[in-house]
Amino acid sequence: GAVVSQHPSWVICKSGTSVKIECRSLDFQATTMFWYRQFPKQSLMLMATSNEGSKATYEQGVEKDKFLINHASLTLSTLTVTSAHPEDSSFYICSAREARENQPQHFGDGTRLSIL
Amino acid sequence: GQNIDQPTEMTATEGAIVQINCTYQTSGFNGLFWYQQHAGEAPTFLSYNVLDGLEEKGRFSSFLSRSKGYSYLLLKELQMKDSASYLCAPMDSNYQLIWGAGTKLIIKP
Repeated sequence: GAVVSQHPSWVICKSGTSVKIECRSLDFQATTMFWYRQFPKQSLMLMATSNEGSKATYEQGVEKDKFLINHASLTLSTLTVTSAHPEDSSFYICSAREARENQPQHFGDGTRLSIL
Repeated sequence: GQNIDQPTEMTATEGAIVQINCTYQTSGFNGLFWYQQHAGEAPTFLSYNVLDGLEEKGRFSSFLSRSKGYSYLLLKELQMKDSASYLCAPMDSNYQLIWGAGTKLIIKP
């Protein structure tokens, strides 16, 4: 149980392209979803928290116009990296959590984004 | 501030036992999670402790002492596939997980 699917796994694209990443909870309802990025050998960095049907809460320093998050249903959240540039290249990982706040976050497999 | 202290790297032998320690300071506390992360992959959930004591789950056990701000993950009968980073993640008063860089565990034959 508690499976989270994230697509795509890999994206390589040109600078200036917008990239959409999908995160789906397959066998549970995800009241809250989280978006992280991780650089090699560094800790997970929380970018934003989204609750179904409401606007995402972004962490300090994360540009909300750059990283658009939509959590339209209890099983789907999307992250769109708009006008991506090489410095946006990273490992992006989503996680999903059921209603109770002390439930574990279950992670998708991550998306490796490379901007040329 | 909030912080986590874990060893950066540990080495152990296949078949042995290893204990990965974690000390933490958080604004409030709502439990502590342990996750495993293989290189290049996303984390997977291992355990959750909210009360003091030991939680056993197969080859893995996790211990918590809230008064000491201390937890450990105990791995028994180590296998090569246990080579990974282990992330200690306490949850603060806002139910936010605090992430450190984790402990890289290297298993040798």
